[in-house]
Amino acid sequence: EAQVTQNPRYLITVTGKKLTVTCSQNMNHEYMSWYRQDPGLGLRQIYYSMNVEVTDKGDVPEGYKVSRKEKRNFPLILESPSPNQTSLYFCASSPFGTVYNEQFFGPGTRLTVL
Amino acid sequence: GNSVTQMEGPVTLSEEAFLTINCTYTATGYPSLFWYVQYPGEGLQLLLKATKADDKGSNKGFEATYRKETTSFHLEKGSVQVSDSAVYFCALSDNQGAQKLVFGQGTRLTINP
Repeated sequence: EAQVTQNPRYLITVTGKKLTVTCSQNMNHEYMSWYRQDPGLGLRQIYYSMNVEVTDKGDVPEGYKVSRKEKRNFPLILESPSPNQTSLYFCASSPFGTVYNEQFFGPGTRLTVL
Repeated sequence: GNSVTQMEGPVTLSEEAFLTINCTYTATGYPSLFWYVQYPGEGLQLLLKATKADDKGSNKGFEATYRKETTSFHLEKGSVQVSDSAVYFCALSDNQGAQKLVFGQGTRLTINP
């Protein structure tokens, strides 16, 4: 089944404790992206990657890191989480080449930083 | 910059009612427009899309027409069902290198039997 998977689905942590949220897709998509969803703000892009070893900042990159060592994986790293990073996070992927392509979203990771 | 504005929610309707969720956008150039749906506890799914002016996207009884003159992409359905209860997001893609989706704030829809 074609899908985007994220782990963990739920995470409660404390300020300053480094964490990684994994994202993996099995559709051989070049493009992958991370979004955060906050009430009243919709989804905002954090980082994106157009292919292996190619990453760039989205609209709200502060406090986050990403890497793209393999085509299928795009982990989101919070080196020192803070309470304002409490949010619902979505990973998405799509074939690269045209923006008309559908972006496929993972199920989401709900993060709480105390 | 590009932006999307949706009607405020939540929206509550009775089954078989007519649905309209308004969406307007601000963008340079010729964006592609999308409606995504998020069912409880799930990620976003593409509901429909339109890639140029006057295009009509449709799926599962939902429709939206790309109106460049009014910069709008309103979502409509003639007869809603309880299973349509979800959060609906309007989004645009500016058709440039970042391939980024710009989302509206979302509209929560609840359909009562």
